[in-house]
Amino acid sequence: QKEVEQNSGPLSVPEGAIASLNCTYSDRGSQSFFWYRQYSGKSPELIMSIYSNGDKEDGRFTAQLNKASQYVSLLIRDSQPSDSATYLCAVGSNFGNEKLTFGTGTRLTIIP
Amino acid sequence: KAGVTQTPRYLIKTRGQQVTLSCSPISGHRSVSWYQQTPGQGLQFLFEYFSETQRNKGNFPGRFSGRQFSNSRSEMNVSTLELGDSALYLCASSPRTGTYEQYFGPGTRLTVT
Repeated sequence: QKEVEQNSGPLSVPEGAIASLNCTYSDRGSQSFFWYRQYSGKSPELIMSIYSNGDKEDGRFTAQLNKASQYVSLLIRDSQPSDSATYLCAVGSNFGNEKLTFGTGTRLTIIP
Repeated sequence: KAGVTQTPRYLIKTRGQQVTLSCSPISGHRSVSWYQQTPGQGLQFLFEYFSETQRNKGNFPGRFSGRQFSNSRSEMNVSTLELGDSALYLCASSPRTGTYEQYFGPGTRLTVT
């Protein structure tokens, strides 16, 4: 079982709709959770961080965390063509080897 | 504030050679982490340096090494290059060590022939 799992996609969403990206993780000791956006040929860009159960909103982005289910998601409202990118989920554990573990990413395409 | 910078941006090397990549973190950030990104494996953690000390290391062979200087700039070195080392090498800086927000540089694209 991979430590951090994401559906590779591609996920196609019409412009203006809500895009929902999901991520599950295996380490129950995980304490920090991040979403990065990576455009083709570019480096990852941090867009959201979440540390506590519940929702965290920032503009059109909402991160949701459920530690009991070991699940974190990212919602993008009013999707725009510029949101087309690969979205990486990263999970951090503070027990033992403190590092971020990345999922392989979900490729999102917004259809005009 | 200036972002993370990495040099060189592109590099072509031959098998058996060695290479040194450089990373300058965001001003005030003392933690630098290095990652290897390939299409097949995704982002893989190499190591993290904080205050000139290696804090964590990923599952890479000893050919991969790094260091950090007193101004927080970091270098990573790969010796005896193999074809499989072709990848995008990314460094990320953070104000704190551990599993906190990390900000990536543009990366160095290494091609080994």
